[in-house]
Amino acid sequence: KQEVTQIPAALSVPEGENLVLNCSFTDSAIYNLQWFRQDPGKGLTSLLLIQSSQREQTSGRLNASLDKSSGRSTLYIAASQPGDSATYLCAVGSYNTDKLIFGTGTRLQVFP
Amino acid sequence: EPEVTQTPSHQVTQMGQEVILRCVPISNHLYFYWYRQILGQKVEFLVSFYNNEISEKSEIFDDQFSVERPDGSNFTLKIRSTKLEDSAMYFCASTLESRGNTEAFFGQGTRLTVV
Repeated sequence: KQEVTQIPAALSVPEGENLVLNCSFTDSAIYNLQWFRQDPGKGLTSLLLIQSSQREQTSGRLNASLDKSSGRSTLYIAASQPGDSATYLCAVGSYNTDKLIFGTGTRLQVFP
Repeated sequence: EPEVTQTPSHQVTQMGQEVILRCVPISNHLYFYWYRQILGQKVEFLVSFYNNEISEKSEIFDDQFSVERPDGSNFTLKIRSTKLEDSAMYFCASTLESRGNTEAFFGQGTRLTVV
């Protein structure tokens, strides 16, 4: 059974820092991995999708990497801003199922 | 940019009442999903829907739940007799394809409060 965990659970940093958020999954037979942002009480905004054949994806200040064999993905946020404050979720798509399995999330606060 | 739209944003209902949550997926998407997030917990899968039938459902999705695509645009989740533990944020999502190299797009959610 696929389990997805994220560390740290919470992170508070000053503006301008480069950040790394971690996502681990137990079953490496994944189809893809997607990173989302969730603002308090709001929906899920897709940030990046990494297909199983890829090692990384970039969008603006965000870079996500995938190491299937070790069951890990990282989300790198460059030059963090207060507007980046949110909860970041990773979700794994696996073979033989339609569903995404979500991680526990990392709650990020970037202060000025 | 295309988006998934959900209504209402917040619904309060009495225990035992029926509720219908509505979603308009992205227009050219073929696969539709409902997820829920109980406060402070993980987002969890409820059901997937394709070609007018349920493709997959979780253990949570019991006989009290049903889904429907009544027309070419709406996708609904019905809870027949709500319980206190149904209180959660419900998210609708859609994808162009199933699994594979396809990005899932989520709506803003409906916060359901059962009193």
